[in-house]
Amino acid sequence: QKEVEQDPGPLSVPEGAIVSLNCTYSNSAFQYFMWYRQYSRKGPELLMYTYSSGNKEDGRFTAQVDKSSKYISLFIRDSQPSDSATYLCAMKGATNKLIFGTGTLLAVQP
Amino acid sequence: AAGVIQSPRHLIKEKRETATLKCYPIPRHDTVYWYQQGPGQDPQFLISFYEKMQSDKGSIPDRFSAQQFSDYHSELNMSSLELGDSALYFCASSTRDRGIHGYTFGSGTRLTVV
Repeated sequence: QKEVEQDPGPLSVPEGAIVSLNCTYSNSAFQYFMWYRQYSRKGPELLMYTYSSGNKEDGRFTAQVDKSSKYISLFIRDSQPSDSATYLCAMKGATNKLIFGTGTLLAVQP
Repeated sequence: AAGVIQSPRHLIKEKRETATLKCYPIPRHDTVYWYQQGPGQDPQFLISFYEKMQSDKGSIPDRFSAQQFSDYHSELNMSSLELGDSALYFCASSTRDRGIHGYTFGSGTRLTVV
């Protein structure tokens, strides 16, 4: 079983929709929880990170962590076609190496 | 702002050949990480270096080796290439004191083994 599980999608939504992306994890040692966006043929780009349970908001993006359930989410409000990309959750423990989910491919239709 | 530079962007090699991938971190970043992302897969951590010393090791095959040089650039050497080595290889850099805050990925090297 992988340490981080993520539904690969693909997920297709109309422009303006609220998108919910989720990951579950099994390693209690994970301390930091990140969401990366990856466009085709590009490196992952950090969107948000958090290290505690609760919500963190940045513009149209909200990251949510529930450590008791080992569950994290990323919400995108008012989704735009430019949000179309693969979204990867990633986690890290005491070291700086990242453990990624498989990524969810999101398509926002105009 | 300067980013993480990887070269080459694309590389085609035959089975059993050798490949060298290069990574130039963001200036003043002291830590370099290598990841391998197979088709439709999540990035898998290979190896990392801090101040030119190996700091962590992941699922890196014995056929691969890497090092970080005095100017902090890093090279990933891959020998006896196999078809399964075809992947996108990412390098990331950071400063140890900033941790995840400064963790930046390059655009990757796409290696195709034929």
